[in-house]
Amino acid sequence: DIQMTQSPSSLSASVGDRVTITCRASQSISNYLNWYQQKPEKAPKLLIYAALSLQSGVPSRFSGSGSGTDFTLTISSLQPEDFATYYCQQSYSTPFTFGPGTKVDIK
Amino acid sequence: QVQLVESGGGVVQPGRSLRLSCAASGFTFSTYGMHWVRQAPGKGLEWVAVISYDGSNKYYTDSVKGRFTISRDNSKNTLYLQMNSLRVEDTAVYYCAKEGVLAAPNWFDPWGQGTLVTVSS
Repeated sequence: DIQMTQSPSSLSASVGDRVTITCRASQSISNYLNWYQQKPEKAPKLLIYAALSLQSGVPSRFSGSGSGTDFTLTISSLQPEDFATYYCQQSYSTPFTFGPGTKVDIK
Repeated sequence: QVQLVESGGGVVQPGRSLRLSCAASGFTFSTYGMHWVRQAPGKGLEWVAVISYDGSNKYYTDSVKGRFTISRDNSKNTLYLQMNSLRVEDTAVYYCAKEGVLAAPNWFDPWGQGTLVTVSS
């Protein structure tokens, strides 16, 4: 199975900050990497697919990069509605594993 | 718009069975693979199972193999998850999710609102 790790596990940031979350796969997954945002008591929402493609309707302050084993989600200017937990997920092979999540909260 | 609505969750004793349903609308259900993903209380996301658009291919995470069965009825636009021999550790919110496209690489979009399964004596 492909193991996914994320760092940091949590972070505190202020509105307007630039935030970077890192995801690493235990083996190369090409660009088969997706990012989701989840708010409390809500279903996850797709942000970025295929490592760097922005899902329709998602603000352009979100961006993704990387390929192979190392990937990054960047929020260029954190907004109040961005405080949530972020998960990466590989779709290279089953089981389609998720990272443990990164919780972004208010400093 | 695309909508997924899960149902069938509830409280069940260990060893018993439960069947979850996911009613789909707003897209051509019969042309997309579908997934179940679960989230234990206060924990992260865990992929459970996938079924191909026509039901011919199914894959499961190891912890549910032999106990859970994913299926679909394309005439009813409905996805199912039959859960047998339930364990306390199966307690979670279960989400259904649609594959984003018809080929790889793929992703989950959208997700349903989830249905809570609690396994407890």
